[in-house]
Amino acid sequence: AQKITQTQPGMFVQEKEAVTLDCTYDTSDQSYGLFWYKQPSSGEMIFLIYQGSYDEQNATEGRYSLNFQKARKSANLVISASQLGDSAMYFCAMREGGSGSARQLTFGSGTQLTVLP
Amino acid sequence: GAVVSQHPSWVICKSGTSVKIECRSLDFQATTMFWYRQFPKQSLMLMATSNEGSKATYEQGVEKDKFLINHASLTLSTLTVTSAHPEDSSFYICSAREDRGNQPQHFGDGTRLSIL
Repeated sequence: AQKITQTQPGMFVQEKEAVTLDCTYDTSDQSYGLFWYKQPSSGEMIFLIYQGSYDEQNATEGRYSLNFQKARKSANLVISASQLGDSAMYFCAMREGGSGSARQLTFGSGTQLTVLP
Repeated sequence: GAVVSQHPSWVICKSGTSVKIECRSLDFQATTMFWYRQFPKQSLMLMATSNEGSKATYEQGVEKDKFLINHASLTLSTLTVTSAHPEDSSFYICSAREDRGNQPQHFGDGTRLSIL
């Protein structure tokens, strides 16, 4: 079974609008971390935001916020006030195990976001 | 912030050549580093987990003798693609995470490998 599922291969959003990128996950661990990364066409992976499984509040980082719904096992990324520079591939990822875990990240298939002027 | 340096950023070479890619954590120690491979328009696929001072752990289907990993220090891991062939052409990207606390993985900028 897929551990991380991103159901939107591509998304379009108008500049200055908000957009939600979906991510659902599957794990039997009680302790895990959820991450979002941005990958522009140049290829580098840029860390955006992190949510721990025990965090009670949704994570926020500037224009990025993570809508964490533990019971639904979803961790959607919300980008507010989209900018042209937000156009990129976005990956949701999960690391199972506690905060000290050295386990690898498992990535979703990604969502290609295009911001329209 | 934490920085991971990956070198070279791109390589073009003839079939049969061995290519070494370096991954360095510049301002933190990383007992564990990870090597991923990414095909165009696809996600990152974990190839192996590089462990400082011990053998790497390879994912199923990844040839250990083809993709040699060495993690000789707490700040450096290398991936050597031995006797590379056109089917090895891909984007290779490494990541590292600080050993302390609850830190995200930081990625190198990746290496585009093209085998002619």
